Amino acid sequence: GENVEQHPSTLSVQEGDSAVIKCTYSDSASNYFPWYKQELGKRPQLIIDIRSNVGEKKDQRIAVTLNKTAKHFSLHITETQPEDSAVYFCAALDYGGATNKLIFGTGTLLAVQP
Amino acid sequence: DGGITQSPKYLFRKEGQNVTLSCEQNLNHDAMYWYRQDPGQGLRLIYYSQIVNDFQKGDIAEGYSVSREKKESFPLTVTSAQKNPTAFYLCASSIMGALTSSTQYFGPGTRLTVL
Repeated sequence: GENVEQHPSTLSVQEGDSAVIKCTYSDSASNYFPWYKQELGKRPQLIIDIRSNVGEKKDQRIAVTLNKTAKHFSLHITETQPEDSAVYFCAALDYGGATNKLIFGTGTLLAVQP
Repeated sequence: DGGITQSPKYLFRKEGQNVTLSCEQNLNHDAMYWYRQDPGQGLRLIYYSQIVNDFQKGDIAEGYSVSREKKESFPLTVTSAQKNPTAFYLCASSIMGALTSSTQYFGPGTRLTVL
């Protein structure tokens, strides 16, 4: 089955700087990679996703890149703001038997210092 | 994600008691999921269901049970056999397709504390 590793576990940046979170996956058949943001005590919310037929996707200050050959994908946040502070989770679709089951990374706590 | 509701928001249980967590969705999604989240940890899959009257164990199913009698409802029972049930429980749902990969939307969660 699929295995997802996420780094770093914590990340502290100054407001206005960029933040990059990286994930690797093991199953080359995986074709869907969402990113979720979870604020303290709240539900995870989808912020961006990418499918394996594209290499990059952007949405304002957020972008995701995918390298299928190396089996890794990354979240890029530019011009960080204090409200970006949260835990971010990457995930990959476990394509075994079309179960639509997501395998999550262990999360990155992002702290944006004003 | 506004179409998924969980209740109660907070739940307290005495040791040895079974408790049931509610999850309802009005998104007409086929698939539903239960996750457990411990402090500082990621999301671990407990059970999932792709269609009514069918469900599969996830990675940490021991001590939990589920049912899927209706498409919109997927209740989770935490039994007394679950050794360490204090956690944040999240329900999610998604469209299900054999060759499509779709987003999971999460409910607001239930925080269970064993006294």
